[in-house]
Amino acid sequence: GQNIDQPTEMTATEGAIVQINCTYQTSGFNGLFWYQQHAGEAPTFLSYNVLDGLEEKGRFSSFLSRSKGYSYLLLKELQMKDSASYLCAVRSFDRGSTLGRLYFGRGTQLTVWP
Amino acid sequence: DAGVTQSPTHLIKTRGQHVTLRCSPISGHKSVSWYQQVLGQGPQFIFQYYEKEERGRGNFPDRFSARQFPNYSSELNVNALLLGDSALYLCASSFDRERDQPQHFGDGTRLSIL
Repeated sequence: GQNIDQPTEMTATEGAIVQINCTYQTSGFNGLFWYQQHAGEAPTFLSYNVLDGLEEKGRFSSFLSRSKGYSYLLLKELQMKDSASYLCAVRSFDRGSTLGRLYFGRGTQLTVWP
Repeated sequence: DAGVTQSPTHLIKTRGQHVTLRCSPISGHKSVSWYQQVLGQGPQFIFQYYEKEERGRGNFPDRFSARQFPNYSSELNVNALLLGDSALYLCASSFDRERDQPQHFGDGTRLSIL
């Protein structure tokens, strides 16, 4: 089976840096995605890692260690609009399939205070 | 370019009824996946379709069914609705060989069962 863990809630202040961790246990691993989801809205794609290391996209960075089954999303220069749920999702290719499916964690609700 | 579109946006049903949810993928995307997201949880995989064939199924009862049409749009059907089916139903589309491309989500259909 697939098991993806991330903290339920985090808080931070404007301008700060926050790191959201995600650990996973999965078979057929083929990439890890981070999505942002504001209340009542669809998840929007933030970042993707398939190889070990850090991927940077503006204020957002994501790190992956496949050997440790670990990833984090780093948000810098926090803004009020960053208050949202952050979803860690692992793509896994089931045996015999060429199409990967996403397995999501519960999401980390980030609240940014002024 | 239009993103993933879903209809209806909201729906209220009573126990025992059935419902049909619709999804149009991003132009050029051939794969459509359906997810159920209960409040406070991450999305859970229901189905994946590619080229009108079911390519993956999550741990959902047979009351849930889906299909994909020649234009790659898709329908999710749920029969004999239960209170526990109340959730946000998300559709996501992607290319077939999605090795480094994310799934893009629609805004979802919020289904409430009374």
